[in-house]
Amino acid sequence: KQEVTQIPAALSVPEGENLVLNCSFTDSAIYNLQWFRQDPGKGLTSLLLIQSSQREQTSGRLNASLDKSSGRSTLYIAASQPGDSATYLCAATQGGSEKLVFGKGTKLTVNP
Amino acid sequence: DAEITQSPRHKITETGRQVTLACHQTWNHNNMFWYRQDLGHGLRLIHYSYGVQDTNKGEVSDGYSVSRSNTEDLPLTLESAASSQTSVYFCASSYLRDRGLNEQFFGPGTRLTVL
Repeated sequence: KQEVTQIPAALSVPEGENLVLNCSFTDSAIYNLQWFRQDPGKGLTSLLLIQSSQREQTSGRLNASLDKSSGRSTLYIAASQPGDSATYLCAATQGGSEKLVFGKGTKLTVNP
Repeated sequence: DAEITQSPRHKITETGRQVTLACHQTWNHNNMFWYRQDLGHGLRLIHYSYGVQDTNKGEVSDGYSVSRSNTEDLPLTLESAASSQTSVYFCASSYLRDRGLNEQFFGPGTRLTVL
């Protein structure tokens, strides 16, 4: 059974800092891993999807990496801004299916 | 623009009542999912469907049912609402192109309170 863990649960940084959010998963037989952003009271916005055959994906200031052998993914945010403040969720597919298993998220606060 | 919508956005009901939450997507996606989000538990899968007439149970399916009569809609029914079903419910959809490419897109959520 897939389990996804995100550490830390909360992170506070000053504006402009580069930061890394961590995600670990127990079952390496994934189709893909996805990173989402959730603003308070809102739905989830897809940020990046990394296929199991890929090592990383980039979108603007965001870079996500995937290491299946160690069961880890990281989301790197460059030059953080107050508008990046949100909860970031990592989700991995479960054992040969399209189903996603979510971590509990990292709540990021970027202080001006 | 294609989108995924949920209704109602907020609902208050009483214990024992039947409640149906609607989910409608205009992307023509094969796959549709229902999740609930609770503090301390994160997002958990309730039911999912890979196409018309296909439905499957997820991790927390007890007390819930779904039906898929067309591509666009997957309504979620709480047969007899319980206080433990107070939660925020999210619907999502994805298009099965190749395994590994099925990015899920989420609706805005429905906040359900059972008194």
